[in-house]
Amino acid sequence: GQNIDQPTEMTATEGAIVQINCTYQTSGFNGLFWYQQHAGEAPTFLSYNVLDGLEEKGRFSSFLSRSKGYSYLLLKELQMKDSASYLCAVRLDDYKLSFGAGTTVTVRA
Amino acid sequence: IAGITQAPTSQILAAGRRMTLRCTQDMRHNAMYWYRQDLGLGLRLIHYSNTAGTTGKGEVPDGYSVSRANTDDFPLTLASAVPSQTSVYFCASSDSALTDTQYFGPGTRLTVL
Repeated sequence: GQNIDQPTEMTATEGAIVQINCTYQTSGFNGLFWYQQHAGEAPTFLSYNVLDGLEEKGRFSSFLSRSKGYSYLLLKELQMKDSASYLCAVRLDDYKLSFGAGTTVTVRA
Repeated sequence: IAGITQAPTSQILAAGRRMTLRCTQDMRHNAMYWYRQDLGLGLRLIHYSNTAGTTGKGEVPDGYSVSRANTDDFPLTLASAVPSQTSVYFCASSDSALTDTQYFGPGTRLTVL
């Protein structure tokens, strides 16, 4: 089976930075996705990495190291609306997505 | 543009009953997917369709069936519901099964008693 690990919960203060790590051991790799999911809502796409390195999109950045089977999502200048679950997903050799269980981030004032 | 719609929003169902969850997309995406999301387990793929007229089994297909008669619609049927099928079901679509990002519908919360 696929193994995608991320922390269950993280808490941070408004205005701070939080880094959500994701490690994976999967049958093949064709890219890694990060999704944001607010409680009771659908997951929404945040970022995609297929090559090593950092991808920056405004306050959010995502990093990938394929040799280490490792990615992180960096959230800067945290806002209350960033309180959500963040899902790491690996695209496998058959192009299907395998998801981690998600990390719930709580932003406190 | 609605994107992806799912119906019903929520449903309580007696065990043994048949139930079809509906999913419609208006983006003319080729690929569509059904996932279930359970606490602590993340999203798991039930069935998928790479293009109209074709379907395939995902990670947890038992007890579920799908059809893809046209590009827009991808219904998921539970032939005889069991309590372990209590979950939140998400439909998703992507332009290409190989390269594109998946976009998710709002979900259906199903409770089987």
